[in-house]
Amino acid sequence: QKEVEQDPGPLSVPEGAIVSLNCTYSNSAFQYFMWYRQYSRKGPELLMYTYSSGNKEDGRFTAQVDKSSKYISLFIRDSQPSDSATYLCAMPSSNSGYALNFGKGTSLLVTP
Amino acid sequence: SAVISQKPSRDICQRGTSLTIQCQVDSQVTMMFWYRQQPGQSLTLIATANQGSEATYESGFVIDKFPISRPNLTFSTLTVSNMSPEDSSIYLCSVGGTDTQYFGPGTRLTVL
Repeated sequence: QKEVEQDPGPLSVPEGAIVSLNCTYSNSAFQYFMWYRQYSRKGPELLMYTYSSGNKEDGRFTAQVDKSSKYISLFIRDSQPSDSATYLCAMPSSNSGYALNFGKGTSLLVTP
Repeated sequence: SAVISQKPSRDICQRGTSLTIQCQVDSQVTMMFWYRQQPGQSLTLIATANQGSEATYESGFVIDKFPISRPNLTFSTLTVSNMSPEDSSIYLCSVGGTDTQYFGPGTRLTVL
């Protein structure tokens, strides 16, 4: 079983919709959780990170962590066509110090 | 956040040749990481590069194939040796720690 699982999509939504992106993980020791956004032919861009459980909000983005279920979510409100990208969840690897263990990424398309 | 640049941004290489990818950071950092992102896949850690010590390679990656240099705290190189078409990927360097990591724009390598 991979340490981080993420549905690759693709996910297509109309502009203005609320988007929910999710990941599950297997290692209960994980404390830091990150979301990256990757546009086509670009490097991943750190979008949000959270520590332990709870919610964190930044503008239209909300990251949510449920450690009891080993489940993390990223919500995008009032989605825009510019949000069309691949969204990757990541957590520090249990085997490689500070290196990150990534989900496969969910491809999101927001249509005008 | 750190600003990371990579050279080259892309290259097309012949089978059996080698390519060295450079990663430059705008500030001194202790840990640098090299990742590979194969087409349609997520990021996979190749190795961790610390200044003043040998790079630490992940399972499935060996120094003879992916030699790494880390001559100072702002620079690192990754060489892809004796390339085959299976090495066609995006190669990314990153810096950071447990809570946040920042990525370069990536080097898109195509091996013919």
